[in-house]
Amino acid sequence: EIVLTQSPGTLSVSPGERATLSCRASQSVTSRYLAWYQQKPGQAPRLLIYGASSRATGIPDRFSGSGSGTDFTLTISRLEPEDFAVYYCQQYGSSWGTFGPGTRVDIK
Amino acid sequence: QLQLQESGPGLVKPSETLSLTCTVSGGSVRSDSYYWGWVRQPPGKGLEWIGSIYYSGSTYYNPFLKSRVTTSVDTSKNQFSLKLSSVTAADTAVYHCARVNGYASGWFDSWGQGTLVTVSS
Repeated sequence: EIVLTQSPGTLSVSPGERATLSCRASQSVTSRYLAWYQQKPGQAPRLLIYGASSRATGIPDRFSGSGSGTDFTLTISRLEPEDFAVYYCQQYGSSWGTFGPGTRVDIK
Repeated sequence: QLQLQESGPGLVKPSETLSLTCTVSGGSVRSDSYYWGWVRQPPGKGLEWIGSIYYSGSTYYNPFLKSRVTTSVDTSKNQFSLKLSSVTAADTAVYHCARVNGYASGWFDSWGQGTLVTVSS
């Protein structure tokens, strides 16, 4: 089982600032098979990034993903009010996927 | 535009079987390009990958749930389904169906809104 750890657990950021979220895997993730999702209260998760750095359809370019091996990062360059949410990473490099525990991005 | 909608009982008794169906519209479950999957989220907690299924019947399951999970596809109704047996309170969660891209354990690119299933007597 590949275990994902996300840090920080909560990130307090002011609108317009940059947010950097980390996802670390317990073992190397095959071929950068890592996705990021955004979830707001009462809503389904929304795909942001797949393949570690490819933006999903309709996702603004202020969202970017990077990393490989065991260390991955989601960066939100300038936080908009609608970006305050919980963010999950997911690896899909093994025969079954696993999710990280999430990072909550709060308004500072 | 692809839409997925979960349906099924919102309350299941302990030791019984949870059964959910996902109806797909705006696309076909009989697609060569996608698997179809299930993810759950206990109240106030994170996401858990349950499993995925291809229209041909090929399945992949979370090994921690595998002994209790069964999934199926009905191409005539454009639906796929989840059964989870011997449920306990720990299975109380919002259950989402989703389209899986990039093979069986790929990323979820379109999600249903989710349905809350409570396990209680």
